[in-house]
Amino acid sequence: KAGVTQTPRYLIKTRGQQVTLSCSPISGHRSVSWYQQTPGQGLQFLFEYFSETQRNKGNFPGRFSGRQFSNSRSEMNVSTLELGDSALYLCASSLGQQTINTEAFFGQGTRLTVV
Amino acid sequence: SQQGEEDPQALSIQEGENATMNCSYKTSINNLQWYRQNSGRGLVHLILIRSNEREKHSGRLRVTLDTSKKSSSLLITASRAADTASYFCATGINNDMRFGAGTRLTVKP
Repeated sequence: KAGVTQTPRYLIKTRGQQVTLSCSPISGHRSVSWYQQTPGQGLQFLFEYFSETQRNKGNFPGRFSGRQFSNSRSEMNVSTLELGDSALYLCASSLGQQTINTEAFFGQGTRLTVV
Repeated sequence: SQQGEEDPQALSIQEGENATMNCSYKTSINNLQWYRQNSGRGLVHLILIRSNEREKHSGRLRVTLDTSKKSSSLLITASRAADTASYFCATGINNDMRFGAGTRLTVKP
């Protein structure tokens, strides 16, 4: 069974640009969560989707958005990039409706560098 | 905002020794999970312990949960160099999973 796949693995963008990150969950998983990881802030929750509906959103500005498609694949978008958006973005999928109640499987992450 | 806080922030031990990491959290929980992360990579699930459980084992891992003290501990016995990683506890807040800052464990051969 294939694991969670995140693309691209590495990305370099310029301030002011926008970026789209992709996450393909494990087959059969309908819940997808996104996290931002930085040395200073640690792992911060961004959003959680289940069956194409955003269930929860973390404390991030509106520049951060996401969506989930009918095949459970998810994308997140960051517009008007800032230097502080440089981070490892992690996606996790789980079988249950809520990630907190079941084991979450993480992708390898997308390393975004904003210059 | 983070829910759990791990202690210590960093831990360095010799191969074969036991490693204990602690996690404290703020609000009532349904369950608590522990994850491991090797440098700059994705997280790997270790154990999920429910609020009505006090202890759980998985191989060389032992997790305890004390809901009255709002704390959990992860014990790794007979540590190996391959256990070198960051360890995070995760709890639910507003029905989503939040992580602590993690404990960086270094196991020296």
